[in-house]
Amino acid sequence: DAGVIQSPRHEVTEMGQEVTLRCKPISGHDYLFWYRQTMMRGLELLIYFNNNVPIDDSGMPEDRFSAKMPNASFSTLKIQPSEPRDSAVYFCASSSPGGGALGETQYFGPGTRLLVL
Amino acid sequence: DAKTTQPTSMDCAEGRAANLPCNHSTISGNEYVYWYRQIHSQGPQYIIHGLKNNETNEMASLIITEDRKSSTLILPHATLRDTAVYYCIVRSWGNSGSARQLTFGSGTQLTVLP
Repeated sequence: DAGVIQSPRHEVTEMGQEVTLRCKPISGHDYLFWYRQTMMRGLELLIYFNNNVPIDDSGMPEDRFSAKMPNASFSTLKIQPSEPRDSAVYFCASSSPGGGALGETQYFGPGTRLLVL
Repeated sequence: DAKTTQPTSMDCAEGRAANLPCNHSTISGNEYVYWYRQIHSQGPQYIIHGLKNNETNEMASLIITEDRKSSTLILPHATLRDTAVYYCIVRSWGNSGSARQLTFGSGTQLTVLP
């Protein structure tokens, strides 16, 4: 299994531009999570999906952020317009159904390093 | 989910056991202890989890005190590649309708020295 796949791995953009981050979860996993990591705030959850449906988006910073999961194998996190304070590493993670406490294990992708100038 | 307290940083000599403590004095009966680690520039990686019994897998051992208020992650023979931030997370599971997210604290920066 290739694990969680994220693209792009690095993104440099200018303030005001739209940024789209992509994630392919592990096949068969029914939960998908988007996290953001910065030096100041650490690793924080933005939103998560179950069976392609957003369950909790309370961590999304503001309306400039949106996330979609059109099918079980693909999700996007979009920032429009982007701002310098959005610079961070964005991680996607997925977890499998059932399996008790081990089923709760989350598998993280390599992250997308975003720099907004 | 219960709050955890970990030392900010620790050093360990290569080849020796690394013992990483975690305090979770407010843990409740249905909460598990999970350990993840994050090697620099990579995503977090699951290590091990437990409820009340000691657990061991190919990566590490987890020792949970009888009162479950603290635990220790043990890397039996630390290598340079084990240098990472180690996160201790306490959370319940299986609660219908409840969040399934992991709440990461600051973790412990483990540095394995040659």
